[in-house]
Amino acid sequence: EDQVTQSPEALRLQEGESSSLNCSYTVSGLRGLFWYRQDPGKGPEFLFTLYSAGEEKEKERLKATLTKKESFLHITAPKPEDSATYLCAVQNTGRRALTFGSGTRLQVQP
Amino acid sequence: DAGVIQSPRHEVTEMGQEVTLRCKPISGHDYLFWYRQTMMRGLELLIYFNNNVPIDDSGMPEDRFSAKMPNASFSTLKIQPSEPRDSAVYFCASTPTLTAFSYNEQFFGPGTRLTVL
Repeated sequence: EDQVTQSPEALRLQEGESSSLNCSYTVSGLRGLFWYRQDPGKGPEFLFTLYSAGEEKEKERLKATLTKKESFLHITAPKPEDSATYLCAVQNTGRRALTFGSGTRLQVQP
Repeated sequence: DAGVIQSPRHEVTEMGQEVTLRCKPISGHDYLFWYRQTMMRGLELLIYFNNNVPIDDSGMPEDRFSAKMPNASFSTLKIQPSEPRDSAVYFCASTPTLTAFSYNEQFFGPGTRLTVL
């Protein structure tokens, strides 16, 4: 059974204070690892897909990295508008559905 | 494109009543997914369709839940009879078949917040 564990559950940062979110996973065959952002009252919004260990992707202040066991979402010099819940999900090669972690609630204070 | 459309956005009903949630996927997307999100269990798959055919319904909690996709632009998730433990946010998502010009991510709708009293 595919499993995704995210840590920490919640993270409070000061504006400009960089940090990383962790996503540990177990999957029989990885087709892709996904990062989503979810704002209160809204659906998850796609950020990145990573397909193989060693891959990195960047978007503004966010950078996602992938190893064979975990992924990190690095947030550099965050701003208050980065406050959201960040969800990690894996897709098994055998199915199209995603298995999600419980998310990390990020709060960035001005 | 307007994105994935869900209705209603909020639904409050009493235990025992029938509830129908609706979804319109993004045009051209041939995969459609229904997810449920709760504080306790997070975001979990209920069922997904490919070309209007149910492929995996292993996440459907019990016989009270049913889903249909009569055509490529419409799907419903029905709960009959509803129970308080069904209270959650229900999301619909869609994605196209992977091609050289598309990616694997799923596009989510805004969700339907269901409260069963």
